[in-house]
Amino acid sequence: DTGVSQDPRHKITKRGQNVTFRCDPISEHNRLYWYRQTLGQGPEFLTYFQNEAQLEKSRLLSDRFSAERPKGSFSTLEIQRTEQGDSAMYLCASSQKRGRLAGGRGEDEQFFGPGTRLTVL
Amino acid sequence: SQQGEEDPQALSIQEGENATMNCSYKTSINNLQWYRQNSGRGLVHLILIRSNEREKHSGRLRVTLDTSKKSSSLLITASRAADTASYFCATNPNDYKLSFGAGTTVTVRA
Repeated sequence: DTGVSQDPRHKITKRGQNVTFRCDPISEHNRLYWYRQTLGQGPEFLTYFQNEAQLEKSRLLSDRFSAERPKGSFSTLEIQRTEQGDSAMYLCASSQKRGRLAGGRGEDEQFFGPGTRLTVL
Repeated sequence: SQQGEEDPQALSIQEGENATMNCSYKTSINNLQWYRQNSGRGLVHLILIRSNEREKHSGRLRVTLDTSKKSSSLLITASRAADTASYFCATNPNDYKLSFGAGTTVTVRA
C-alpha cells in the first residue's frame, strides 16, 4: 500500500495525558499536512511541512500541540495535557508540490490518510 | 476559518437518481477541489477544477465552477449505494492549505 498511513487509528486517553500520533506520507511527497475534524464539520488546517521545515501553524494549534517532521519523511503530532475539547479526528495529508519550471501547474492535490480518532475522557 | 459552504447539508435520493450539491466560497481561489468521506474514514480526492475552467467531468461526476458567483456544483449521475458518503468542497486560495466547508451528507437508498 503506497498511500498515506496513520498510526494509531484510534486512541482513547484520560484528560491530562500526553498522546502522540504518527503519519507516513506517500514516499516521494515533499509536503505534509495535519488537519483536525470534529463531528459534522469539515477538516480544519493545523500545520504543514515542506520537507522538514514547518512553514505554517494555525491559531488552532495551541502551545500544547507540537508537530515534527525530522527527516522530511514521517511526521508526529503530539498533544500534551489533553483536554476533552481535543477529541476529534486528526487527519494527515501529503502532496508533491512542483513549481511551474519543473512542469507542475502550481496545484497541490492532497492525499489523505485514514485519520486517527482521539477520544479524551 | 472555513471558507466553503455546501448546500444542502443533507440529501437523500433513490439509487439511479442524480445528486447535485453546491458550494459557495468567499475569497479568490487558485482551484477548487471536491472530496468524498465515507463514515469515519479519511478523505478521497474526487476532482480538481482550476479557476480558469468552467466545467470538468470524471466518470459519473460533473463539476462546474462560476468564479463570478464564487460557487461550484458537484453532480453525481446515476447514483449507487456506494456513493453514500459526505462530500466536501475545498478551496486552495494560498497555494498550500485547503479550506473545507461543513459538507453535504448524501444517502442513496436502494
